[in-house]
Amino acid sequence: GNSVTQMEGPVTLSEEAFLTINCTYTATGYPSLFWYVQYPGEGLQLLLKATKADDKGSNKGFEATYRKETTSFHLEKGSVQVSDSAVYFCALTAGGTSYGKLTFGQGTILTVHP
Amino acid sequence: EPEVTQTPSHQVTQMGQEVILRCVPISNHLYFYWYRQILGQKVEFLVSFYNNEISEKSEIFDDQFSVERPDGSNFTLKIRSTKLEDSAMYFCASGSGRAVGELFFGEGSRLTVL
Repeated sequence: GNSVTQMEGPVTLSEEAFLTINCTYTATGYPSLFWYVQYPGEGLQLLLKATKADDKGSNKGFEATYRKETTSFHLEKGSVQVSDSAVYFCALTAGGTSYGKLTFGQGTILTVHP
Repeated sequence: EPEVTQTPSHQVTQMGQEVILRCVPISNHLYFYWYRQILGQKVEFLVSFYNNEISEKSEIFDDQFSVERPDGSNFTLKIRSTKLEDSAMYFCASGSGRAVGELFFGEGSRLTVL
């Protein structure tokens, strides 16, 4: 079956530090890959996505590249802000009839200090 | 900005009681989902609903669970006879169907079964 593994958290950084959150996956076929973010008191929201190998998703300064050879989709940001403090979820879906059936990683709590 | 809303935000119930969790998806969306997250575990798919019927369900979604869209706006999850292990955060999500995996999540309903 499909599975997603994220790096252990929580992650604590100072403002303007570089962020990497590792994500690897196991899937049959050619999944689409996602990063969702959950800010305090809010629902999960889509941060970025990539639908095929070597695609790079980007949004709000965050980036992730779909690496088929390493089955990875690591999230990066060059300079984090306090407002980036949230829980980050890596996810995949097989598409087709499973259009919205997402398989999530365990989530990584990010705290950014001023 | 349109959003998915869920009620109640927190419900405490006794084992064996029936619980109904309610969701108002985004109004022009066609696909509806329930996910849950047991404390300390991954967010996991429960069920998807399209065109007034279940399109896919997980192994977790047994006969104790049911979903319906009673009035064209609400989307409900019913647990007939709650067990201790049903304690979790339940997330409702909706999607337009135009982009694989792009869902809009509510803030969640926390269910505590005593």
